Amino acid sequence: KNEVEQSPQNLTAQEGEFITINCSYSVGISALHWLQQHPGGGIVSLFMLSSGKKKHGRLIATINIQEKHSSLHITASHPRDSAVYICAVDPKGYGGSQGNLIFGKGTKLSVKP
Amino acid sequence: NAGVMQNPRHLVRRRGQEARLRCSPMKGHSHVYWYRQLPEEGLKFMVYLQKENIIDESGMPKERFSAEFPKEGPSILRIQQVVRGDSAAYFCASSLFNTNTGELFFGEGSRLTVL
Repeated sequence: KNEVEQSPQNLTAQEGEFITINCSYSVGISALHWLQQHPGGGIVSLFMLSSGKKKHGRLIATINIQEKHSSLHITASHPRDSAVYICAVDPKGYGGSQGNLIFGKGTKLSVKP
Repeated sequence: NAGVMQNPRHLVRRRGQEARLRCSPMKGHSHVYWYRQLPEEGLKFMVYLQKENIIDESGMPKERFSAEFPKEGPSILRIQQVVRGDSAAYFCASSLFNTNTGELFFGEGSRLTVL
C-alpha cells in the first residue's frame, strides 16, 4: 500500500462542475502540499497545509490531521483547470530533510467545455 | 522576480554519455531539491542541498548520480554513463525555508531522453 493515496486516478467533468480530489496518507506529517502539473509542463505549488483550510480563487484545500486526509476542491471548473493534481506529504520527524516529500500518483483531471 | 530556472528543458543523450542538468533557484532561496519523475510514475525525491552542502541524498541512486550546489552558480545534477532507465523528467524546486515552513517553487523540469 502506498503511503499517499489519491482518488480518483482520473476524473472527467463538465465545465462549471464542482470537483473534489481526495488524498489519504498513512504517515505522520508536518505539512501537505497540493501541486498542479500541466501535460509536458512544469509543476506549480497550489497549497501548503498543516491544518484547517486554505482558499485561493476557485481552489480550496482542506486537511484533517486526525483522519490523515486532505481534499482539493475546484469550484466552477473550467477547461484550463485540466491538469494532473498531485498530493505530497512532508513526513514528520524524518530527521532533518524537509524536502524528502512522499508523492501521490496524481489525479488526472479533464474538464470538457 | 524570475522563478526557478532549469536548463536544458530537453536533453538527448546516447547510452554511456554524461548528462548535466542545471537549476537556478529563486533569488534569495538557499534550499534546493531535486526530484525525478519516471514515465507513468509519480515524483520521487532525490536530493536536498543547501549552498555548498548536501543535506539529504537518500533518494539518489548509489552510482552514477551526483549533485552539487556551489557557492556561486546553479545547482547541478550530474548523471554519468547514462542508461535508458535514466530517461525521465527531472524537476528542481527551491524554498526560502525548510519545506514545512516555506513554500516550494518548482522549475519547468528537464526532460532527459537516453537513446
